[in-house]
Amino acid sequence: DVKVTQSSRYLVKRTGEKVFLECVQDMDHENMFWYRQDPGLGLRLIYFSYDVKMKEKGDIPEGYSVSREKKERFSLILESASTNQTSMYLCASSPSGGRVSYNSPLHFGNGTRLTVT
Amino acid sequence: AQSVTQLDSHVSVSEGTPVLLRCNYSSSYSPSLFWYVQHPNKGLQLLLKYTSAATLVKGINGFEAEFKKSETSFHLTKPSAHMSDAAEYFCALMNSGGYQKVTFGTGTKLQVIP
Repeated sequence: DVKVTQSSRYLVKRTGEKVFLECVQDMDHENMFWYRQDPGLGLRLIYFSYDVKMKEKGDIPEGYSVSREKKERFSLILESASTNQTSMYLCASSPSGGRVSYNSPLHFGNGTRLTVT
Repeated sequence: AQSVTQLDSHVSVSEGTPVLLRCNYSSSYSPSLFWYVQHPNKGLQLLLKYTSAATLVKGINGFEAEFKKSETSFHLTKPSAHMSDAAEYFCALMNSGGYQKVTFGTGTKLQVIP
């Protein structure tokens, strides 16, 4: 089974702090994604990456950046945390890079619930 | 542009009765469609997917969904609800026209009453 591991289950940070959310997958997937989940809004894509050192903006990238130095690891960075970034963050991965296998489902981690005070 | 609309934010059914969770989509390309389930404090788990083969798709735990192009719908059904089905369900769409960008609906919370 594919395993996507998010390093923290719960995080509490202060406004203005720099926050790192880490995600590791163990199935050699090319694609990795960061979503945030808010009640009534579903999942919204923040950033995704289809290869090492490659990144693409999703629908709501403002206030976030990402890093993908190794294939298995995709980090989400909040440069200066704000209270409106309090949310559940979900990491996902899927096989096949680029435009191939567009129908491969996503495999999700269990999420990191971030509270910014 | 692509979008997914889940028509009900909450659905409540009695144990043993049928489940219907509705999903409509909009897509400029031939879409792949998915249903995911999320139990409390967990990530999303794939229930089933449609990828232009059979229009009636069977998934895990007795769920199935039917792709209806004329109605742009992909509703999720189960003949008999079980208490363990209580969860949040997300419909999602992926287009064939580009990278694997997935659009999710806003979710439907299913309550199962004993």
